Amino acid sequence: GNSVTQMEGPVTLSEEAFLTINCTYTATGYPSLFWYVQYPGEGLQLLLKATKADDKGSNKGFEATYRKETTSFHLEKGSVQVSDSAVYFCALSSIGANSKLTFGKGITLSVRP
Amino acid sequence: KAGVTQTPRYLIKTRGQQVTLSCSPISGHRSVSWYQQTPGQGLQFLFEYFSETQRNKGNFPGRFSGRQFSNSRSEMNVSTLELGDSALYLCASSSQAAGIRQETQYFGPGTRLLVL
Repeated sequence: GNSVTQMEGPVTLSEEAFLTINCTYTATGYPSLFWYVQYPGEGLQLLLKATKADDKGSNKGFEATYRKETTSFHLEKGSVQVSDSAVYFCALSSIGANSKLTFGKGITLSVRP
Repeated sequence: KAGVTQTPRYLIKTRGQQVTLSCSPISGHRSVSWYQQTPGQGLQFLFEYFSETQRNKGNFPGRFSGRQFSNSRSEMNVSTLELGDSALYLCASSSQAAGIRQETQYFGPGTRLLVL
């Protein structure tokens, strides 16, 4: 079945540091890949997505590239801000699973001023 | 467009009771999915409804059930509550139609259920 593996957390960075959060996946066929963010006390917000190999999703300075050869979708940001402190989830969905999203365990990011 | 709304936002129940949670999708979205989020198990898929039919189901006991109405609003019900049902229950909607490349799911703020 489908699965998503995220790097272990939590991650603590200083403001303006470079961020990488690793995500790898196992899926049949060609899944769509997503990064969602969850701020304290809130639901999930879509951060970015990619629907085919070599696509790059980007939003709010965050980027992730769909790498089929390494089955990865790592999240990066060049300069984090305190307001980026949140929990980040990598997820995938595949056509055969209709709308079902399979999530990684999530990683908590804390950014210090 | 208004986002996904969920009611109530918070609930406290006792073991053995039942609970009904409600979700109103984004206007025009016909697919509604439900997820349970707990610290231990993370985000787990409960079920998905599309045009009033359950189209997909996760690995949860029969105490968890749902339905969808003709206006695409959805409810989920949990009967005979257990302590382990304490969680954040998230609803998501999309314009997903069967067999089409995955459409984005948009999440509501969730209902936080505490079972005592």
